[in-house]
Amino acid sequence: GAVVSQHPSRVICKSGTSVKIECRSLDFQATTMFWYRQFPKQSLMLMATSNEGSKATYEQGVEKDKFLINHASLTLSTLTVTSAHPEDSSFYICSARISSGGAKEQYFGPGTRLTVT
Amino acid sequence: AQSVTQLGSHVSVSEGALVLLRCNYSSSVPPYLFWYVQYPNQGLQLLLKYTTGATLVKGINGFEAEFKKSETSFHLTKPSAHMSDAAEYFCAVRVDYKLSFGAGTTVTVRA
Repeated sequence: GAVVSQHPSRVICKSGTSVKIECRSLDFQATTMFWYRQFPKQSLMLMATSNEGSKATYEQGVEKDKFLINHASLTLSTLTVTSAHPEDSSFYICSARISSGGAKEQYFGPGTRLTVT
Repeated sequence: AQSVTQLGSHVSVSEGALVLLRCNYSSSVPPYLFWYVQYPNQGLQLLLKYTTGATLVKGINGFEAEFKKSETSFHLTKPSAHMSDAAEYFCAVRVDYKLSFGAGTTVTVRA
């Protein structure tokens, strides 16, 4: 149980275009999902917290107009990188937190490798 | 603010040898601490966690960690390394359901 999927696993896009990454909780409901960014050989940096039915909360320094987050259902959150540039190339990882129960663990998706050319 | 520091960005061990990964935390409140493992081009997998109670925590794949409040540490160990343990390991502290990660430690295992 507690499986989180991401789609696509890899994407290459041209500079100036937008790309959407999906994060799904497959066997549980998640009122809260988190989006992280990881540069090569570095740690994960939290970009934003996504709550179902409300606006995402962005961490300091993250451009909310560039990284659009939508959490339309209890099992799906999307991250859209708008007008992507080469410096946006990174590994994007989402996690989902189980809505019910006491543990409230975060379960991580497999990540999406974005390359902007 | 809560944070974690991982000492040593790279650890190399022989197969069968002890694995020791160091993590120190800074927290103004009792911390929830985690160790995750990441294989290349994959997401994170939870190895173990400390919330409350027993300070020696056993996780998956033979790993364990001990919470030492006096030393503000949460070091990860495995008695005998296996080739499959080669990966990136992250220590993390949770505050208000947000995870703050250490810089990570790369483990390589020599045959």
